[in-house]
Amino acid sequence: QKEVEQNSGPLSVPEGAIASLNCTYSDRVSQSFFWYRQYSGKSPELIMSIYSNGDKEDGRFTAQLNKASQYVSLLIRDSQPSDSATYLCAVKGGGSYIPTFGRGTSLIVHP
Amino acid sequence: DTAVSQTPKYLVTQMGNDKSIKCEQNLGHDTMYWYKQDSKKFLKIMFSYNNKELIINETVPNRFSPKSPDKAHLNLHINSLELGDSAVYFCASSPAMNTEAFFGQGTRLTVV
Repeated sequence: QKEVEQNSGPLSVPEGAIASLNCTYSDRVSQSFFWYRQYSGKSPELIMSIYSNGDKEDGRFTAQLNKASQYVSLLIRDSQPSDSATYLCAVKGGGSYIPTFGRGTSLIVHP
Repeated sequence: DTAVSQTPKYLVTQMGNDKSIKCEQNLGHDTMYWYKQDSKKFLKIMFSYNNKELIINETVPNRFSPKSPDKAHLNLHINSLELGDSAVYFCASSPAMNTEAFFGQGTRLTVV
């Protein structure tokens, strides 16, 4: 059974700092990896998708994938209070096209 | 221009009732999903539907059933509602098997 693990947090960082969110997954043949942001009372919103080892940057966000270590991370540079939300890691592949989600990490960016 | 839309947004009903939640996507995606998000915010897959292939999470009670009249719609029917069914239900869709999923706005179901 595919498992996706995240530290539930909360992770608290000061405004302007780098927030680092981590995710590990159990299925070695997973192929697609996603980070979602979910504000309280709202639906998950896709931030980044990454499919190959290495870094992928989009604005203030950088996703990092290491398939050998079965690890994917999300870095948020210059964190803003508006980044305060729950960040969900999702994994797809390995014979299943169903995204499996971690339990999410709560991020708090304080002014 | 909503991509994935669910109705209703809120649903309050009594135990034992039967209810449906509708989901429509106008993105032309091939795959649709239903997720349940509990009070601890864990998103748990209930069903996925791809090219008329239905995959059911075996932990989902058979009181829950998906209905897909066409590729753009995947509705969720729930019979004999129980208190434990109270949660937020999200519909989602993907353009292809290994790509990202896009979520609807969710339906908050409260069973009293």
